[in-house]
Amino acid sequence: GAVVSQHPSRVICKSGTSVKIECRSLDFQATTMFWYRQFPKKSLMLMATSNEGSKATYEQGVEKDKFLINHASLTLSTLTVTSAHPEDSSFYICSARDYHNEQFFGPGTRLTVL
Amino acid sequence: DAKTTQPPSMDCAEGRAANLPCNHSTISGNEYVYWYRQIHSQGPQYIIHGLKNNETNEMASLIITEDRKSSTLILPHATLRDTAVYYCIVRVADVLSSNNDMRFGAGTRLTVKP
Repeated sequence: GAVVSQHPSRVICKSGTSVKIECRSLDFQATTMFWYRQFPKKSLMLMATSNEGSKATYEQGVEKDKFLINHASLTLSTLTVTSAHPEDSSFYICSARDYHNEQFFGPGTRLTVL
Repeated sequence: DAKTTQPPSMDCAEGRAANLPCNHSTISGNEYVYWYRQIHSQGPQYIIHGLKNNETNEMASLIITEDRKSSTLILPHATLRDTAVYYCIVRVADVLSSNNDMRFGAGTRLTVKP
């Protein structure tokens, strides 16, 4: 099956710094990529949807200036958490949709903000 | 915003069949039923999906009622490694539809016991 990777798998940063998370579709081109956030013992919450070459669409309540999404190519999307704070600590998961409308999920990135 | 209802938790004995129910009484005619599972600290894993016919693959079987208002995921011989949170999601198949993204409900936490 199609593979989606995320890097890094885990990151620890200081409060106030910015962190970039990469999401790559390894063996297919992704028309659309999605970013989710998951807090402990909670379900995945969709944060934003991004299409290659255009601005991301953010879900209600998600700050676009805090969670910068860049989808520069059909195989790469990045999420940058700017000026991270402890409450941003979470499990961030991306997924990528192919031309057949199937959606594949990455392994997730564990962000801890001290 | 999830359109599905699942029991929060279930137990199953190892080697027995696990039957996970899902209610989706407001499902539309063009919406598929998808099942994913998430093992602790990993990204969601695709299991199976269907529109109205029952489906079977190497992982599981999906039984959809004739009125399509509910479905059951069957793991025929559950193992300890099947312990996970199982998510039932309804999703439009049309890429151009605004309801095409995957939105997760609370899911069912399945615990397979020895």
